[in-house]
Amino acid sequence: KAGVTQTPRYLIKTRGQQVTLSCSPISGHRSVSWYQQTPGQGLQFLFEYFSETQRNKGNFPGRFSGRQFSNSRSEMNVSTLELGDSALYLCASRDSSNTEAFFGQGTRLTVV
Amino acid sequence: QKEVEQNSGPLSVPEGAIASLNCTYSDRGSQSFFWYRQYSGKSPELIMSIYSNGDKEDGRFTAQLNKASQYVSLLIRDSQPSDSATYLCAVKNNFNKFYFGSGTKLNVKP
Repeated sequence: KAGVTQTPRYLIKTRGQQVTLSCSPISGHRSVSWYQQTPGQGLQFLFEYFSETQRNKGNFPGRFSGRQFSNSRSEMNVSTLELGDSALYLCASRDSSNTEAFFGQGTRLTVV
Repeated sequence: QKEVEQNSGPLSVPEGAIASLNCTYSDRGSQSFFWYRQYSGKSPELIMSIYSNGDKEDGRFTAQLNKASQYVSLLIRDSQPSDSATYLCAVKNNFNKFYFGSGTKLNVKP
């Protein structure tokens, strides 16, 4: 069974631009969560989608948004990029029993 | 107060020793607890989950949970250099929110 797939793996953007990251969960998993990981702040929760609805949201500004499609694939968008948005963005999928979360390989975003 | 607290380390142990990693959490209503291992430059990998008080063993790994003390630990027996990584403690509360600790860096010296 394929794991969680995130694309792209690496991305370089300039300040002010916007970016869209993609996550395909494990087959059959309907919950997708997004996290930002930086050396200083650790792993921080962005939001969770379940069956196309945002179920939980972390404490990030409105520039960070997401959505989930009917096939459970999820996208995360960051608008008006800032240097501080440089981070590893991870998505994790869970099955309907809402227990263990499995992570994708992440997208390394660098804002210059 | 952070939802999940871990000592950042680094924790250094010699090869073959027992490594003990600890984690405390603030939400007394939390029900699910997880340990993830993250190698440098890689994504977190689930190694253990525990849901009830007591010990849960899986190979060289033992997770321990004490809900009264709001404390979770991970013991790694016969530590190997390949166990050198950052270990993240995660807690899921009753509102389905996951909280991660900042991780403990483990160095196993040959």
